[in-house]
Amino acid sequence: DVKVTQSSRYLVKRTGEKVFLECVQDMDHENMFWYRQDPGLGLRLIYFSYDVKMKEKGDIPEGYSVSREKKERFSLILESASTNQTSMYLCASSLGGAREKLFFGSGTQLSVL
Amino acid sequence: EDQVTQSPEALRLQEGESSSLNCSYTVSGLRGLFWYRQDPGKGPEFLFTLYSAGEEKEKERLKATLTKKESFLHITAPKPEDSATYLCAVRGIQGAQKLVFGQGTRLTINP
Repeated sequence: DVKVTQSSRYLVKRTGEKVFLECVQDMDHENMFWYRQDPGLGLRLIYFSYDVKMKEKGDIPEGYSVSREKKERFSLILESASTNQTSMYLCASSLGGAREKLFFGSGTQLSVL
Repeated sequence: EDQVTQSPEALRLQEGESSSLNCSYTVSGLRGLFWYRQDPGKGPEFLFTLYSAGEEKEKERLKATLTKKESFLHITAPKPEDSATYLCAVRGIQGAQKLVFGQGTRLTINP
């Protein structure tokens, strides 16, 4: 089975801190994604990557950046955390075809105080 | 812009009481419509992909159907363990590899 692993299940940070969320997949998938999930708003795409060192902005990239130095690892970076970035963050990966489904990690619940 | 709307937001059923969840979508050329199940505190788990109008897929008590404008997730004789949030998502021609999600339907099955 495909496994997408997010490094932290729960994270509490202070406003202004730089925050790193890490995601690793073990199935050699080309594509990786970062979504955030908020009550009433559903899942919204922050960034995605279709190859090493390649990245594309999603629907809500402001305040975030990403890094993909190796195929299996995709990192989400909050340069200066703010309270409105308190959310559940979900990482996902998929093969490269147009019909491929996404496999999700268990999520990181981030609280910014 | 691709959009997905799910209804109802929440649904409470008795065990054994069949019902349907709706997913309405607008997309610039459908590449696939995806159903996921999400349990509290966990990531979404894949259920089905539908590619063209008229297609149907089944898994245990769940059956997904697709028309040109909407998809239904039919739940037959549900059990308490079917309680979860069900998410619908689409991938369109212009959306590259990303999925656009609806807000989900929170389903509760009472014993």
